[in-house]
Amino acid sequence: DTEVTQTPKHLVMGMTNKKSLKCEQHMGHRAMYWYKQKAKKPPELMFVYSYEKLSINESVPSRFSPECPNSSLLNLHLHALQPEDSALYLCASSQGPLRTGEGDEQFFGPGTRLTVL
Amino acid sequence: AQSVTQLGSHVSVSEGALVLLRCNYSSSVPPYLFWYVQYPNQGLQLLLKYTSAATLVKGINGFEAEFKKSETSFHLTKPSAHMSDAAEYFCAVSDSSASKIIFGSGTRLSIRP
Repeated sequence: DTEVTQTPKHLVMGMTNKKSLKCEQHMGHRAMYWYKQKAKKPPELMFVYSYEKLSINESVPSRFSPECPNSSLLNLHLHALQPEDSALYLCASSQGPLRTGEGDEQFFGPGTRLTVL
Repeated sequence: AQSVTQLGSHVSVSEGALVLLRCNYSSSVPPYLFWYVQYPNQGLQLLLKYTSAATLVKGINGFEAEFKKSETSFHLTKPSAHMSDAAEYFCAVSDSSASKIIFGSGTRLSIRP
């Protein structure tokens, strides 16, 4: 299985709602990532988990709260979002930490299209 | 700090023509370089990666890229464009100590019939 799955595919929420995005991989990868992508822009890294521990937080506002329940699952909890948070949210995984000389390509899920009203 | 620069936000070629998407990198250490493709409303898919094993890297869908250290370039090519190649292409860089990759700004490839 070389797939990263994300649910839901689309999500519409109000600014007072609480919702969660889910990501799952069964490739035995030990690093997982959340990205935010606005239209016509490259993905922006939000969080990195390595061996189920948060290793990188790119100064993301606290209204985004990541969680890694186990090595296969990654959640992103959303609360009190703003309209400008509307974007495509991508999850990725990789073998990580990097093995010397091999590179550590990331495998991406199809994303969740989030609209905040 | 590492970075990549993609020259040309939009490239348009005729079906059957050569595709050339340009990427230059900046890195103080030997880099790992990647090309990803993103079709509309989808995630990113790895086309190919450079890890110093060979300077000419062949990827999926007939794409290849050549690492040129003297030019700090990693341009993506395909001899003959197909309509299905229309997508956004991202060049990316990482090093052996980093747990993240840095994406270029992307190049949108359009194919004319």
